[in-house]
Amino acid sequence: TQLLEQSPQFLSIQEGENLTVYCNSSSVFSSLQWYRQEPGEGPVLLVTVVTGGEVKKLKRLTFQFGDARKDSSLHITAAQTGDTGLYLCAGGTSGTYKYIFGTGTRLKVLA
Amino acid sequence: DVKVTQSSRYLVKRTGEKVFLECVQDMDHENMFWYRQDPGLGLRLIYFSYDVKMKEKGDIPEGYSVSREKKERFSLILESASTNQTSMYLCASSVPQSTGANNSPLHFGNGTRLTVT
Repeated sequence: TQLLEQSPQFLSIQEGENLTVYCNSSSVFSSLQWYRQEPGEGPVLLVTVVTGGEVKKLKRLTFQFGDARKDSSLHITAAQTGDTGLYLCAGGTSGTYKYIFGTGTRLKVLA
Repeated sequence: DVKVTQSSRYLVKRTGEKVFLECVQDMDHENMFWYRQDPGLGLRLIYFSYDVKMKEKGDIPEGYSVSREKKERFSLILESASTNQTSMYLCASSVPQSTGANNSPLHFGNGTRLTVT
């Protein structure tokens, strides 16, 4: 069974701080997606990475896919209150429509 | 923009009732999914469908069934609701990847919070 573990599970930081969220597995994925979910809404896609070692930047967010395509990280620089939410990673495997979701990291950014 | 609409935001049902959760998408997506979301467990796949009348079991199909009579609509059915099915249910849709790689984004509805008493 493929599993994706995220750490930390909870994170509360002050506005302006930096943070990193990790997504780890013993399985290899063909793609890794990151979603953010706000209260009362469904998850919304932030980014997809598909190549081992790939780094993508989305404004203050930097996403990295591990060389072996088993892990990923999300780094937020100078966090803002608008970054508050639940961050989910999801792994995709070639030849299947299924995605495996991580356990989630709940981030709270305090003003 | 893709819109995935789940018919109910909140539902309260009694143990043993038959429950229908409805999901409609407006972008002609082939793939549709039902997940349940529980704290600390992330999203777990219940069922998915890659075409009309086609369905496949996900990781936790027990106690659930689905129906996809039309491309835009995917229904989740709880034949006899139980308290351990109290959860947030999320519907999603996506387009299939022609290359066989699985990296197509999932478009989610806003969820149905089901409470079974």
